[in-house]
Amino acid sequence: QSVLTQPPSASGTPGQRVSISCSGSSSNVGSNAVNWYQQLPGTAPKLLIYTNNQRPSGVPDRFSGSKSGTSASLAISGLQSEDEADYYCAAWDDSVHGVVFGGGTKLTVL
Amino acid sequence: EVQLVQSGAEVKKPGESLRISCKGSGYSFTSYWISWVRQMPGKGLEWMGRIDLSDSYTSYSPSFQGHVTFSTDKSISTAYLQWSSLKASDTAIYFCARHRTPSSWCDYWGQGTLVTVSS
Repeated sequence: QSVLTQPPSASGTPGQRVSISCSGSSSNVGSNAVNWYQQLPGTAPKLLIYTNNQRPSGVPDRFSGSKSGTSASLAISGLQSEDEADYYCAAWDDSVHGVVFGGGTKLTVL
Repeated sequence: EVQLVQSGAEVKKPGESLRISCKGSGYSFTSYWISWVRQMPGKGLEWMGRIDLSDSYTSYSPSFQGHVTFSTDKSISTAYLQWSSLKASDTAIYFCARHRTPSSWCDYWGQGTLVTVSS
């Protein structure tokens, strides 16, 4: 049981916009920044979004993040086949003094 | 170019000890922290804890406290994750990842080390 709650799966067709939610509590998402990681099959996670809505250099602007209260979301517009991956949200948790992850969302491009 | 290069896959028996490594290059090694993250077969990411590479201060997730040890050798820009007595349930891929402050995002990740523990 992960501390942050994500839907286990999401899907969309090429060109579509999809959104992945991440729900937490006041000790993590509610009071700290949310980061998102993309894990392509068989590879290491890659930083996708940091501090709620910032994109590292090289990440397409099709990816965007937002946060409101104890929930955050990742949006992917103009869906492409190479976006098929697992997506994880993460945040610092003041109660456990550590990083907590969501359970991950497997995105399928139909 | 920033790189974190981890040691190769390991196959061990229950009760054996193991140390895996994560070598940083392309940046000031001791200016960052390293976190270790576990991914069990077919499962999600779990934060194990972190080490401050400047002074070797460590912080462990309660789920891993007492079962693993983090260390570093600054002279060769390498961080280590070790077990003194492996269990079958330690079978997983282990990732190292660097971050600038104790609670900040991980901007670079190692490629992962597969550890298989089986009798």
